[in-house]
Amino acid sequence: EAQVTQNPRYLITVTGKKLTVTCSQNMNHEYMSWYRQDPGLGLRQIYYSMNVEVTDKGDVPEGYKVSRKEKRNFPLILESPSPNQTSLYFCASSFLSGNTEAFFGQGTRLTVV
Amino acid sequence: EDQVTQSPEALRLQEGESSSLNCSYTVSGLRGLFWYRQDPGKGPEFLFTLYSAGEEKEKERLKATLTKKESFLHITAPKPEDSATYLCAAPDPGANSKLTFGKGITLSVRP
Repeated sequence: EAQVTQNPRYLITVTGKKLTVTCSQNMNHEYMSWYRQDPGLGLRQIYYSMNVEVTDKGDVPEGYKVSRKEKRNFPLILESPSPNQTSLYFCASSFLSGNTEAFFGQGTRLTVV
Repeated sequence: EDQVTQSPEALRLQEGESSSLNCSYTVSGLRGLFWYRQDPGKGPEFLFTLYSAGEEKEKERLKATLTKKESFLHITAPKPEDSATYLCAAPDPGANSKLTFGKGITLSVRP
């Protein structure tokens, strides 16, 4: 089954404690991206990757890091999480680029206290 | 700045009461307009892509249309299971890699 898998689904952490949210896709897609979704603000792109070792900033990259060492994986790293990073996070992948159909993961609800 | 705006923010319909959701955009050189459906606590699910003015696509009770400035998602005789948030999105024409989403329209269909 074609899917994008994120882990964990729920995470509660403390300010400053480094964390990683994993994302993996099994569709051999070149393009992957991370979004955060907040009430009243909608989905906003954090980072995206056009291919292995190629990443770039989206609209809200501050406080986040990503890496793309393998085509299927695109982890999101919060080196020093802060409460304003409490949000619902989605990973997405698409075949070529941002203007093709995107497949989204099931989401990670992060709470930073 | 390129923008995607959806209206209304929320819509409550009676089962069987047809209506339309609006998505207006100011993206120059549009390279596609996407519609997604999002159920509570889940990731968005792709519905349609429209590429040129006049194009229409249908899926069950949903029909998406596109003009030069806006797109409509028409819902005919909705059922309670159509209740969800509907998102539209457009890619950044410059980078061809960033997708800008509207804030969504939350549709509730009462039985």
